[in-house]
Amino acid sequence: GQNIDQPTEMTATEGAIVQINCTYQTSGFNGLFWYQQHAGEAPTFLSYNVLDGLEEKGRFSSFLSRSKGYSYLLLKELQMKDSASYLCAVRVLNTGGFKTIFGAGTRLFVKA
Amino acid sequence: DSGVTQTPKHLITATGQRVTLRCSPRSGDLSVYWYQQSLDQGLQFLIHYYNGEERAKGNILERFSAQQFPDLHSELNLSSLELGDSALYFCASTNGGAGGAFFGQGTRLTVV
Repeated sequence: GQNIDQPTEMTATEGAIVQINCTYQTSGFNGLFWYQQHAGEAPTFLSYNVLDGLEEKGRFSSFLSRSKGYSYLLLKELQMKDSASYLCAVRVLNTGGFKTIFGAGTRLFVKA
Repeated sequence: DSGVTQTPKHLITATGQRVTLRCSPRSGDLSVYWYQQSLDQGLQFLIHYYNGEERAKGNILERFSAQQFPDLHSELNLSSLELGDSALYFCASTNGGAGGAFFGQGTRLTVV
């Protein structure tokens, strides 16, 4: 079956760096996404990895290792507004076509 | 503004009733995904349509159905509603590229 695991919650301090891990077991891997979701709001796209390595975008970076079924999202210079849920999502391609499967999300609390 | 429009924003209905949720994707996006998010839960994939055709199904109940019309808008029909169907229902659209999916603001369904 398809499975995505992320820690449920993390706490970090304003100005610090935090790494949110995601492991997945899927067949037909076709890319990994990270989304940010504030409570009661729609998820917003943060990053996309399809090849191994690090993708950097401002304060956010995302890493992928396909052989290990592992990704992380790195947030630098944390700000209070970064308090949100971070969703790891894997797109798979099978006989039925593409579908995107989301992990349950990691709730990040940034404290002063 | 993601460019994805969902209506209505809020819906309150009684058990046993039927409702229709509507989604208009971003201009040019052929793919529409539907997700369910119960309180404090992760996003659960329901169904994916591409250019009018069903492409993938998740754990969608038989009481639920969806379709995508020639103008690419999509509707999610929920029937014989139960209290447990109360949730946020998100629609997302994508052009299938590396940019990830864009989510609508969701429809909050409350079944009483």
